[in-house]
This record gives sequence, C-alpha cells and structure tokens, in this order.
Amino acid sequence: GQQVMQIPQYQHVQEGEDFTTYCNSSTTLSNIQWYKQRPGGHPVFLIQLVKSGEVKKQKRLTFQFGEAKKNSSLHITATQTTDVGTYFCAENSGGSNYKLTFGKGTLLTVNP
Amino acid sequence: KAGVTQTPRYLIKTRGQQVTLSCSPISGHRSVSWYQQTPGQGLQFLFEYFSETQRNKGNFPGRFSGRQFSNSRSEMNVSTLELGDSALYLCASSRDSSGTDTQYFGPGTRLTVL
Repeated sequence: GQQVMQIPQYQHVQEGEDFTTYCNSSTTLSNIQWYKQRPGGHPVFLIQLVKSGEVKKQKRLTFQFGEAKKNSSLHITATQTTDVGTYFCAENSGGSNYKLTFGKGTLLTVNP
Repeated sequence: KAGVTQTPRYLIKTRGQQVTLSCSPISGHRSVSWYQQTPGQGLQFLFEYFSETQRNKGNFPGRFSGRQFSNSRSEMNVSTLELGDSALYLCASSRDSSGTDTQYFGPGTRLTVL
C-alpha cells in the first residue's frame, strides 16, 4: 500500500538552530498534511498542502510540497524549546473520505 | 467548543479479554476516525465512520471493529486481546465528509495488555 517515508527519525538541535524534516513517496501524493505531537500528547494538525510546488508559512514554520507531489518538507527557523515534539507528515489517501497514512515521524529535541 | 474526548484514558486488560473504547467528537462533527499508535509501527489507520456508516477500513484483523451512533459518538471494540494490541488508540473527528477538512485528535486511550 501507499507508504510515506519520513527522515530523519531523530534530530537534536541547539536552541536557535534550524530544523528540517522530509517526507518522500514513490508515488504521487494527492495531498500532504503535517501534524505535531508533543511528548505525552496527541497529534495536532498544522497544515495541509494540496497543490504542486505549494509553499505555506506559519511564523517560523515553512511547509513545501514538491513539484512532482512526491515529497514535502517542514522547516523550522531558529528553533525554540517549545518546538520539541514529533512531527508527522500524512497523506489522506481516502479520496473523499478520511484515511490518513502517516510517516513514522521525526522526533525533535531542542537543547536550551 | 469542547474538544474530542475519549474514555477511558487508561486501561489494563489481560490476553483473551475484550475491550470497548469510546470517542465523543467535537459538536457538529460527523466523521470519526480511529488510529493505533505504537512505537514500532507508528500511527496506523483503523477505520473511519460518517453518519453511522464505515467508509474506510485499515489493514487490521477482524478482531478490531467499530461503530458510530446517531449522535456521532463512536466506539471501537477489540476482541480476544493480544499482547501486541498494547498501544495508544486515538480517535479524530472532522466536520464534513469531503476528506479535506482538518482532523482533530482526542487525547487517546492508553491500552496495556498483560
């Protein structure tokens, strides 16, 4: 079935450094969603990308969807300790229904 | 507006038992999805309900089942529990049926099978 590969699995940074996580698929993605899960918490929706080459920004977070719609990235500028958590990408492969296929996530830790 | 609620939050069962988990979606949301989260397999889709109908199902054995009531509340049931069923079970609700609306996750039910 559809698989979304996410790298890296772990990333440790010093506060103030940048961070990027990548999602890749061997097939064309219909869309890509990004979630953040704090330690002990539940996934929280961040954004959805649908169009080829789409770029969206939320404050220090920049989300990109590749031109071929086979990859996506989340970039955080100048990380803060509040950015700690696991970042997941997911494709809704259910068409007009919901069926999220998640990547394995990237655990971000930030050293103050 | 209250968020998605799940009960119970924690559960301990033994192998062979069955368990029922409950999810109350955000008011006005009619789509409810269930996911299993484990350290090894990550987040995996179980099933999705809309207007009391199961519209999508993931690759889980028949021991995993669910249903949705007319008030959109949903339950999932796992029969003949196995050790590998230990996981965080998350439900998520969405407002409409388009598959493009934001999904809001509940806090999850942590199931431990001994």
